[in-house]
Amino acid sequence: DAKTTQPPSMDCAEGRAANLPCNHSTISGNEYVYWYRQIHSQGPQYIIHGLKNNETNEMASLIITEDRKSSTLILPHATLRDTAVYYCIVRVYITGANNLFFGTGTRLTVIP
Amino acid sequence: KAGVTQTPRYLIKTRGQQVTLSCSPISGHRSVSWYQQTPGQGLQFLFEYFSETQRNKGNFPGRFSGRQFSNSRSEMNVSTLELGDSALYLCASSLEPQGARGTDTQYFGPGTRLTVL
Repeated sequence: DAKTTQPPSMDCAEGRAANLPCNHSTISGNEYVYWYRQIHSQGPQYIIHGLKNNETNEMASLIITEDRKSSTLILPHATLRDTAVYYCIVRVYITGANNLFFGTGTRLTVIP
Repeated sequence: KAGVTQTPRYLIKTRGQQVTLSCSPISGHRSVSWYQQTPGQGLQFLFEYFSETQRNKGNFPGRFSGRQFSNSRSEMNVSTLELGDSALYLCASSLEPQGARGTDTQYFGPGTRLTVL
């Protein structure tokens, strides 16, 4: 899997948009960008994924740059319950060896 | 639809004992993967099962094993426990095995926290 680089921590005011960046400069054409988050001592929660087009679901939006070397996860209106560690994962689809490889993530703290 | 369930949620064992953890995937999901999470090593892949067959295995010793049943439920076993096996063990399920583009998004359970004394 391509490596990702994320800031170790970020703060966001409650009610504001949280923009979490991820660099994946060595990404290949067939590698998807996945985002998960993990609230303390719980299992990781799937948020969103994409290949090259921007994606939006009920939880978040994913903006991928045209060269695909970086992406941003956007939580449009952060709440206190969004405080968690957010993982950006890039994975290639090959048979047999493409399970998720989590890095260290970004610890997002939503401040009241 | 119910999520991934794992039992037990918490477990305390002593060195040398063995332990079995259980995972029930989301209904209809046929692939189950196991991960170990520790503060020092982060989240590491253990193995993946699909149709009762192990498809992929991470870099863990043979003391770690697993199996999957015909109803897709899975168990993992750790024998001869060591202090370093203390961790959060996570199970994740997906519709199809990893590599099946578009249908292999993994959904995680709450985990089993194992403490080895």
